[in-house]
Amino acid sequence: QSALTQPRSVSGSPGQPVTISCTGTSSDFGGSVYVSWYQQHPGKAPTLIIYDITVRPSGVPDRFSGSKSGNTASLTISGLQAEDEADYYCCSYAGSYTVVFGGGTRLTVL
Amino acid sequence: QLQMQESGPGLVKPSEILSLTCTVSGGSITSGPYFWDWIRQPPGKGLEWIGGMHYSGATSYNTSLESRVTISVDTSKNQLSLKLRSVTAADTAVYYCARRCCYFDSGSRPNWFDPWGQGTLVTVSS
Repeated sequence: QSALTQPRSVSGSPGQPVTISCTGTSSDFGGSVYVSWYQQHPGKAPTLIIYDITVRPSGVPDRFSGSKSGNTASLTISGLQAEDEADYYCCSYAGSYTVVFGGGTRLTVL
Repeated sequence: QLQMQESGPGLVKPSEILSLTCTVSGGSITSGPYFWDWIRQPPGKGLEWIGGMHYSGATSYNTSLESRVTISVDTSKNQLSLKLRSVTAADTAVYYCARRCCYFDSGSRPNWFDPWGQGTLVTVSS
């Protein structure tokens, strides 16, 4: 399994929207809806923020949203806040009960 | 609320076996449609999925690590374990355990992780 491709870094100003992409092959995504996103603050464990491409777990702010087009999934944060500064990882089901993570994206709030 | 906690040696010598345990509290490892997984993160790098299993025995591993990894569950202790053989410095990482949803039958595609343990740093060095 090769890692999904994410930009190494993105940035945005408070209140602005930002989008993080996650690109894989058809074998990674399998034309499926099985994509999730995780937020990781420094020194902390990752936490789930989106699953099944678009579903937000209870407690996750609605400024976080997910989408997918072809072999690219995207995480959009509308109305950036200072506490959104973190690393973000996508993850996809890759067949035979395996999963693959993206390389991670560092989000900087300017 | 389900919680997961990793434990084990923080220092392992090269060529030896890395052994970690993950204790699950607030819920049973045998209830619900879940895989129980290990994920690691080398210092300053991204997440790497290691493998996981359902208590029924369904198991999957990262093909890059499969020859050196064994994951098992102890239902009597409500614990998940990881054994990684023949370690090198490249295996130095924070190791996380996490619950993966959802496994109902052979056609399922368990793919998202929640919750995660806090992680434990394992350093491979002589």
